[in-house]
Amino acid sequence: LAKTTQPISMDSYEGQEVNITCSHNNIATNDYITWYQQFPSQGPRFIIQGYKTKVTNEVASLFIPADRKSSTLSLPRVSLSDTAVYYCLVGAFDGDSWGKLQFGAGTQVVVTP
Amino acid sequence: DAGVTQSPTHLIKTRGQQVTLRCSPKSGHDTVSWYQQALGQGPQFIFQYYEEEERQRGNFPDRFSGHQYPNYSSELNVNALLLGDSALYLCASSLGRDAYGYTFGSGTRLTVV
Repeated sequence: LAKTTQPISMDSYEGQEVNITCSHNNIATNDYITWYQQFPSQGPRFIIQGYKTKVTNEVASLFIPADRKSSTLSLPRVSLSDTAVYYCLVGAFDGDSWGKLQFGAGTQVVVTP
Repeated sequence: DAGVTQSPTHLIKTRGQQVTLRCSPKSGHDTVSWYQQALGQGPQFIFQYYEEEERQRGNFPDRFSGHQYPNYSSELNVNALLLGDSALYLCASSLGRDAYGYTFGSGTRLTVV
C-alpha cells in the first residue's frame, strides 16, 4: 500500500482558502486518493475522492497532477467548523470492496476568527 | 436514513476482562470494518467482515475477534484486555462495490484500568 505524507498541522483564518498537500510517491496505477475529515470524538467522514486531474464537490476540491505522486485538498472559505483532522488515504478498489483504509497521522487544521 | 450506530458509547473495563462492542451498519450496507484509534493517532484497521466472514485482517493479535450477523450487524470482541487496548473503536460500513468510501460511526470509547 502506498504510504502518504502530509503536514502535521495548518492554521488558517475564517474565510481563507486552505490547501493541504499530500505526498504519495509510490502510488500504484489502480490506486485512488481519498480524503477524510474527523472531528474530536467522532468517526472520520468521507470528503472527496479522485483518480486524476481535478474533482470538485460541494465541500472541497481535489487537485491531482499528472504524475499522481501528490494531491492537494482545497477547502474554500473555511469557517470555524472546519477545524478538524484531515486524512489523505491511497488505496485501490479490488473489484469487490475498498479493503482496509490506511490512515496516517493526518493534518490538524485549526481555523481562528 | 440512520447512519452507522455503535454501542455502547463509553465503556470502562479492568485489565484482563473481556469486552464486546456492537455495530449496526448504515441501511443498505453489507460490509463492516473495525478500526482502533489511539489518542492522537489515525485509525488502525483491525478487520473487515462481509457475508458473515472475516475477509481481511490488520496487525492485531488473536485476542481481537469479530462476528457478523445475517442482518449485517457486527460485534468486536477483545479478550484479556490490556491497558494499551484503551482507545476509540470505530465501526465503518460500506456497500461492497460502492466507490464513494466508508461511513463511520462515532465510536466506542474503551478505557482499560
